This record gives sequence, structure tokens and C-alpha cells, in this order.
Amino acid sequence: GAVVSQHPSRVICKSGTSVKIECRSLDFQATTMFWYRQFPKKSLMLMATSNEGSKATYEQGVEKDKFLINHASLTLSTLTVTSAHPEDSSFYICSASGTSGRGYEQYFGPGTRLTVT
Amino acid sequence: RKEVEQDPGPFNVPEGATVAFNCTYSNSASQSFFWYRQDCRKEPKLLMSVYSSGNEDGRFTAQLNRASQYISLLIRDSKLSDSATYLCVVTQRGYNKLIFGAGTRLAVHP
Repeated sequence: GAVVSQHPSRVICKSGTSVKIECRSLDFQATTMFWYRQFPKKSLMLMATSNEGSKATYEQGVEKDKFLINHASLTLSTLTVTSAHPEDSSFYICSASGTSGRGYEQYFGPGTRLTVT
Repeated sequence: RKEVEQDPGPFNVPEGATVAFNCTYSNSASQSFFWYRQDCRKEPKLLMSVYSSGNEDGRFTAQLNRASQYISLLIRDSKLSDSATYLCVVTQRGYNKLIFGAGTRLAVHP
């Protein structure tokens, strides 16, 4: 399967600071990238969908000004958590889908564990 | 009501046992169905797609009942390495986003 990387894998930051998470498709062009968050023992919740070169589509209840998404190229999307608070502590996972013809096939990154102190 | 519902478990089974997980979905417009596996603190990984005719991959068998909006996963001859959380996932017609259930935890013991 295709490879998706995320960086950093873990980050600890102080309340009020901003954190940027990168998601890269390493061996294919990702026309669409998805950002999820997962709280302990809960399901993955889709935050937003981004298509290369256009604005992200946010799910209901997700603040677009707090979670800034940029998908500037076919291999890179970034999620910036602005003015982070302890309740933003979570596991953030990206996935990417490309042009393989199997439109629903998504490849997941290894996730980023964010802890806000 | 949640879009995808699963029994959270945990299911504690001995090695070699057969275990079955169930999942129901609420939207009749759901189009594609999958089982993912997620290990602790890791990303989910696709285990298998689920088709109306049922499909089998080694020790794993998946079934879909559209009339009842019900999906199942059967694991035969459980191995210790099968211990994980199994996520039921659906997509809706015309949309490419995945909707995840909360997962069912399986613990296989010696």
C-alpha cells in the first residue's frame, strides 16, 4: 500500500502556543487529505477534508480558525492547532487518497500525539 | 443515534477460539463498508472490505446485510497477534469520507 508520513509523532506544548503537524504522501499524489482526531477509547472523528489547491471543508463543530489546514501540494497537507488548550490534547491522524481509481481507499499516517500543558 | 454502532467489548478469548463482531449503521444510503484494525496508539489499518456476497481472507470472514444494515466480522483460530481494536467503517454514496465506529476491543490470551 501507499505510504503516508506524519511529523512530529509526539509533541508537548504549552497552553496558548500553536502547533503545526505535517502530513506527507511519500509515493503517490494525494488529491484529497483528511484530518481526524481521536480521544482515548473513542472513534476517529473527521475534522476536515482538504483538496489540493482549495480551501478545506470542515465538519460541523470544528472551528476553522482554530484548526488551520493547508494543502498546498499533492504530497503535503498541514494542520495548525492555533492557541492550543489542554482540551486540544488528542491523537491527530491524517489520511490521504489519490488517483488509484479506488476512490474510497485512504492511507493513514502514523498519527501525532499532542499534549497541551 | 450514532451513525455506526459497535459493541465496545472487550472480548477476551483464548487462542484458537472463534470470535464474531457485529456492527450496525443508521444511514441506508451507506455505500461501502470496511473493517479496520487499530493497535494501541497506532493508526488504523485496512483489514478488509465488506461485500454483500460476503468475503473471506484467510481466517477472517466479513458479511454485509443491507436489509438489516448490519455488518459482521468473524475471526477463526484466534492468534495472540489478533489482539487489537476492530473498527467498523462505512462511506456514503457520493462522498469519500469514512465514518468510523468506536471499535470493538479484542484480547486473545494464551
